[in-house]
Amino acid sequence: KNQVEQSPQSLIILEGKNCTLQCNYTVSPFSNLRWYKQDTGRGPVSLTIMTFSENTKSNGRYTATLDADTKQSSLHITASQLSDSASYICVVGASSASKIIFGSGTRLSIRP
Amino acid sequence: GAVVSQHPSWVICKSGTSVKIECRSLDFQATTMFWYRQFPKQSLMLMATSNEGSKATYEQGVEKDKFLINHASLTLSTLTVTSAHPEDSSFYICSAIKTGLMNTEAFFGQGTRLTVV
Repeated sequence: KNQVEQSPQSLIILEGKNCTLQCNYTVSPFSNLRWYKQDTGRGPVSLTIMTFSENTKSNGRYTATLDADTKQSSLHITASQLSDSASYICVVGASSASKIIFGSGTRLSIRP
Repeated sequence: GAVVSQHPSWVICKSGTSVKIECRSLDFQATTMFWYRQFPKQSLMLMATSNEGSKATYEQGVEKDKFLINHASLTLSTLTVTSAHPEDSSFYICSAIKTGLMNTEAFFGQGTRLTVV
């Protein structure tokens, strides 16, 4: 069964600290994995997209990793800022049957 | 990148009335679109999968007679909240699936803030 599981469900950290969000998937055959950031009251915005051959991709203070063997991805946020408070959603695409599987998201709160 | 337009971005309606929300894929065709609802400080909750030319698939606990979904064309899906009540006040988001030869990707609308008074 194609599934995407994110952890933790929610996370609270102090401003300036680093954090890592996890995404494990069982989607097959794998096509791509995308991390979205969703601010409250807005549509999700894409942070990174990774394909099978990519291990790491950065977007500013956001760095996504992908291990296609273990079917795990992580999103690392460096030197967190208050504006990083949002939901982070992992979405995995399959290359057949046109499937897209959404994770339930991680709610991140940055405290001053 | 591909663009998904959701309209309206916000709406206020009286209790008992119906509200229609549109989700359009502007530069690609989408046979599949998803509708989500999000309550304050919570993650997106999948309501239903909208398939062009066929009936939508609803998630458990979502009333199909209350949340009517129509996906009559490859670029448009609509969600109608019928007989809206204050508890239906929420943020509704759609996503459209773009299918390519090698890739399948999801693109999100901007969301619709519904307030029922």
